[in-house]
Amino acid sequence: KNEVEQSPQNLTAQEGEFITINCSYSVGISALHWLQQHPGGGIVSLFMLSSGKKKHGRLIATINIQEKHSSLHITASHPRDSAVYICAVRKEETSGSRLTFGEGTQLTVNP
Amino acid sequence: DSGVTQTPKHLITATGQRVTLRCSPRSGDLSVYWYQQSLDQGLQFLIQYYNGEERAKGNILERFSAQQFPDLHSELNLSSLELGDSALYFCASSVAGGINSPLHFGNGTRLTVT
Repeated sequence: KNEVEQSPQNLTAQEGEFITINCSYSVGISALHWLQQHPGGGIVSLFMLSSGKKKHGRLIATINIQEKHSSLHITASHPRDSAVYICAVRKEETSGSRLTFGEGTQLTVNP
Repeated sequence: DSGVTQTPKHLITATGQRVTLRCSPRSGDLSVYWYQQSLDQGLQFLIQYYNGEERAKGNILERFSAQQFPDLHSELNLSSLELGDSALYFCASSVAGGINSPLHFGNGTRLTVT
C-alpha cells in the first residue's frame, strides 16, 4: 500500500462544476503539498499546508491532521483547470526534508 | 515563471552513456531538490542539497550522483544509462531546507535513453 493515496485517479467534469480531489496518507508528516502538472509537464506548487485550510482564487485546500486526510476543491471549474493534481507529503528528517508523492488525479474539465 | 531554470529541456542519448542535468535555483534559494518522474514509478525524490551540502537522500541509484556548487546551481549526473532511466527529471528549490519553505519547480528535463 502506498504511503500517499489519491482518489479518484481520473475525474471528468463539466465546466462550472464543483470538484473535490482527496488525499489520504499513512505516515506522520510535517506538511502536505498540492501540485498541479499541466500536459506540457511543468509542475506548479498550489498549496503547502500543515493545518486547517487555505484558499487561492477558486482553489481551496483543507487538511485534517488527526484523520490524515486532505482535500483539494475547485469551485466553478474551467477547461483550463484540466491537469494532473498531485498530493505530496513532506516528512521532516534529521537534517532535511523529502516529498513522498501520490499517483496523481487526472482532471478533465469539458466546456 | 518559478524562477528555477533547468537545462537542457530535452536529452536523447544511448544506453551506457553519461549525461549531466543542470539546475539553477530561484534567486535567494539555498536548497535544491531533484526528483524523477517515470511512467511506472511516478514522482520520486532523489536527493536534496542545502547551501552546498547534501541534506537528504531518497531513491537515488549508485549510478547517479549530484552536487551543488558555491554559486548554488546544481548538477545531476547520470551514468551507465539504461532504458529504464528514461524519465522527466525535475529540480525544485526553496529558501531554506525545512518544512516551512515553499517549493518552486523547474520545467524539467526530459531524458530519453535509446
